[in-house]
Amino acid sequence: QSALTQPRSVSGSPGQSVTISCTGTSSDVGGYNYVSWYQQHPGKAPKLMIYDVSKRPSGVPDRFSGSKSGNTASLTISGLQAEDEADYYCCSYAGSYTSYVVFGGGTKLTVL
Amino acid sequence: QITLKESGPTLVKPTQTLTLTCTFSGFSLSTSGVGVGWIRQPPGKALEWLALIYWNDDKRYSPSLKSRLTITKDTSKNQVVLTMTNMDPVDTATYYCAHIRDTAMVNYDPWGQGTLVTVSS
Repeated sequence: QSALTQPRSVSGSPGQSVTISCTGTSSDVGGYNYVSWYQQHPGKAPKLMIYDVSKRPSGVPDRFSGSKSGNTASLTISGLQAEDEADYYCCSYAGSYTSYVVFGGGTKLTVL
Repeated sequence: QITLKESGPTLVKPTQTLTLTCTFSGFSLSTSGVGVGWIRQPPGKALEWLALIYWNDDKRYSPSLKSRLTITKDTSKNQVVLTMTNMDPVDTATYYCAHIRDTAMVNYDPWGQGTLVTVSS
């Protein structure tokens, strides 16, 4: 049971787009279309931003989008805004003999 | 509106058993498809999934912590309880409970505010 691999940090200027990757294996990210993404501001609880790889919950801006290719899922944030600066975590269903959940190591997004 | 709140001790001693309660409102754990999960976050570190329980009493645990965890539900009280045995200083973390929006196991929305548990003698 290993954490999913995310870049430690990414950055972008206001208005630009950034993409955060989340790499797993065929036993988690690559094997199922059950990947979610969470945004966490300092001292706050995480917030669901993307579920089922690419779906947005009600109230999440359409600047946030998700995708998956093979064993890697991605979160893209377009039209960066200052309030997007936060930590982002991916999360995947995992299973072989038994099913469980695994999170990524987290990515710090800095808006320059 | 769905809300969840974690409660329990803020300080436990090494080797003790931690018992955390998640009290929720806005949904029922007797409704098909509904679940509650527990996730923790050591200070300055990443999220770590611990366990979940569904309306039908289906339970799943982190493989690395399975031997130390027990999750139960009390539908009448709208509560989910997580116990973790043999606590160690490395278990110091903020513990969150969260509503699971479907049976995919990975869609947690919303989360409670979290409760910081420190393990120290």
